[in-house]
Amino acid sequence: QKEVEQDPGPLSVPEGAIVSLNCTYSNSAFQYFMWYRQYSRKGPELLMYTYSSGNKEDGRFTAQVDKSSKYISLFIRDSQPSDSATYLCASSAMNSGYSTLTFGKGTMLLVSP
Amino acid sequence: DVKVTQSSRYLVKRTGEKVFLECVQDMDHENMFWYRQDPGLGLRLIYFSYDVKMKEKGDIPEGYSVSREKKERFSLILESASTNQTSMYLCASRNSDFTAYNEQFFGPGTRLTVL
Repeated sequence: QKEVEQDPGPLSVPEGAIVSLNCTYSNSAFQYFMWYRQYSRKGPELLMYTYSSGNKEDGRFTAQVDKSSKYISLFIRDSQPSDSATYLCASSAMNSGYSTLTFGKGTMLLVSP
Repeated sequence: DVKVTQSSRYLVKRTGEKVFLECVQDMDHENMFWYRQDPGLGLRLIYFSYDVKMKEKGDIPEGYSVSREKKERFSLILESASTNQTSMYLCASRNSDFTAYNEQFFGPGTRLTVL
């Protein structure tokens, strides 16, 4: 079983919809929970992160982590066509003195005008 | 503006050829990574380097080697390319701060096709 599981989608929504992207993880040692966004033919880039449990909001985006259920979520309010991309959740932990980053497989999001 | 560049966006090679993929970062980062990305399999770590001349195997190192002679440059080598190495290859770098926080900066990727 992969340490970070993510539904690959695609997820298609109309413009203005609220989008919920989710991941589950199995490693209790994970400390940081990140969301990377990858546009077509580009490399991923960090969208936002949370440390341990809780919520973090940045404009239309909210990241949420529930460590008790090992559940990671990203909510997008008032979704726009420019949000169409693949969203990868990722979690990091210290391992033998190094920080290791474990990615989910990514969910492709399509927002139609 | 942070930047990770990769030597080629698209590359076509023949089975058995030796292939070099180059990655350069201008952020003075200690850590560098090579991933491959395939549909349905996501990002998989091939090799990483925590400092110059250091290298560590990732999850799928078989068929690959790496070289890091200078801090800013990390090369991925396919000693004898095979068709199952057709993939998108992504390079990334990270500033080492000895915490679990792990923001990696990615290059644009190299789409390699092995015929």
